[in-house]
Amino acid sequence: AQSVTQLGSHVSVSEGALVLLRCNYSSSVPPYLFWYVQYPNQGLQLLLKYTTGATLVKGINGFEAEFKKSETSFHLTKPSAHMSDAAEYFCAVSDPNFGNEKLTFGTGTRLTIIP
Amino acid sequence: EADIYQTPRYLVIGTGKKITLECSQTMGHDKMYWYQQDPGMELHLIHYSYGVNSTEKGDLSSESTVSRIRTEHFPLTLESARPSHTSQYLCASSLSTGGRYEQYFGPGTRLTVT
Repeated sequence: AQSVTQLGSHVSVSEGALVLLRCNYSSSVPPYLFWYVQYPNQGLQLLLKYTTGATLVKGINGFEAEFKKSETSFHLTKPSAHMSDAAEYFCAVSDPNFGNEKLTFGTGTRLTIIP
Repeated sequence: EADIYQTPRYLVIGTGKKITLECSQTMGHDKMYWYQQDPGMELHLIHYSYGVNSTEKGDLSSESTVSRIRTEHFPLTLESARPSHTSQYLCASSLSTGGRYEQYFGPGTRLTVT
């Protein structure tokens, strides 16, 4: 069964500083990986995804993530934090046993931006 | 912009009442999902559907039921609401063709059972 671990339920960074949100997964075969963002009282919005090909993927709002198979990681980064980045971020992994169409989510990381 | 809608957005209801949470999408997606999300917790899949007249229970046991009579509509029903059902319910959809795999989410329904 797939599992996702997000290290750090709360992360605070200063405006303009590097954002790094960590995600590690457990899967018997390489899954597809996703990062979603959730703003207060809203649903989840896809930031980026990795399925195949280039391991460094770029998403919306200046975020990017790198798939590292040897480390079973898919960490999310942004070079310079903006106040509008404050939100909850969820890492998710697909289940290859269900055609990669069922997702398992991590517990989320709440990102706070310090002015 | 994903076109998936949920109503109501907020619902406060008394114990024992029957409720239906509505979810509709206009993207022609064949797959639809219901998740339950408690504050500070991950999303748990409670129901999913791979197409019309197809419904399956998810990983988290739920007393709710779902139906999929039309492609675009995937309502969730609780026959008798209890305080333990208080949570946020998120609906999502995806397209099984084209190798996309990502799910698109509605804004959620926050349910409070008193």
